[in-house]
Amino acid sequence: KNEVEQSPQNLTAQEGEFITINCSYSVGISALHWLQQHPGGGIVSLFMLSSGKKKHGRLIATINIQEKHSSLHITASHPRDSAVYICAVRETSGSRLTFGEGTQLTVNP
Amino acid sequence: DAGVIQSPRHEVTEMGQEVTLRCKPISGHDYLFWYRQTMMRGLELLIYFNNNVPIDDSGMPEDRFSAKMPNASFSTLKIQPSEPRDSAVYFCASSFSIGGQPQHFGDGTRLSIL
Repeated sequence: KNEVEQSPQNLTAQEGEFITINCSYSVGISALHWLQQHPGGGIVSLFMLSSGKKKHGRLIATINIQEKHSSLHITASHPRDSAVYICAVRETSGSRLTFGEGTQLTVNP
Repeated sequence: DAGVIQSPRHEVTEMGQEVTLRCKPISGHDYLFWYRQTMMRGLELLIYFNNNVPIDDSGMPEDRFSAKMPNASFSTLKIQPSEPRDSAVYFCASSFSIGGQPQHFGDGTRLSIL
């Protein structure tokens, strides 16, 4: 069992739909990251959170430490949101990041 | 502001050759990370530095891999000798602090070993 699991692996949506990507982890963490990787390969850090909720534009990230679960939401999705979204956690016992396998999101016009 | 700069963007070489990947972190960042991304294993941390000192190199696959950070503005990841299974995209990232700030990624180096 991977320490970080994302669902779904692939997601196709129509423009304007509300999107949710989930991340579950099995270890104690000090922080959780959501990253975005576009088809060109570049990686952008979207959020880093250790509790509660963060919002940036149409993106919202939440984390429930007790349930070891985080969600990334995209409101009013747009084709330019098409990318791979990666969840990564930093364990409390160490300093390295452990990554999920990513969720491939495709938003059709 | 200039982001994390990696070079080269693409490298194709024959197995057995030495490969050197380069990274310039964002000025002022005191943490630097090297990652590898493959289809099979996804993103993996190879090594990271704090104030130019290697802190955790447990992700380095084997002795053929080495990384240095001679100063705050430059790091290298070297593979010698290279093997086809080293083919991957190698990312460098930097941050102000390991806990409180997000990591900023370079565009990556796509390495193909023939």
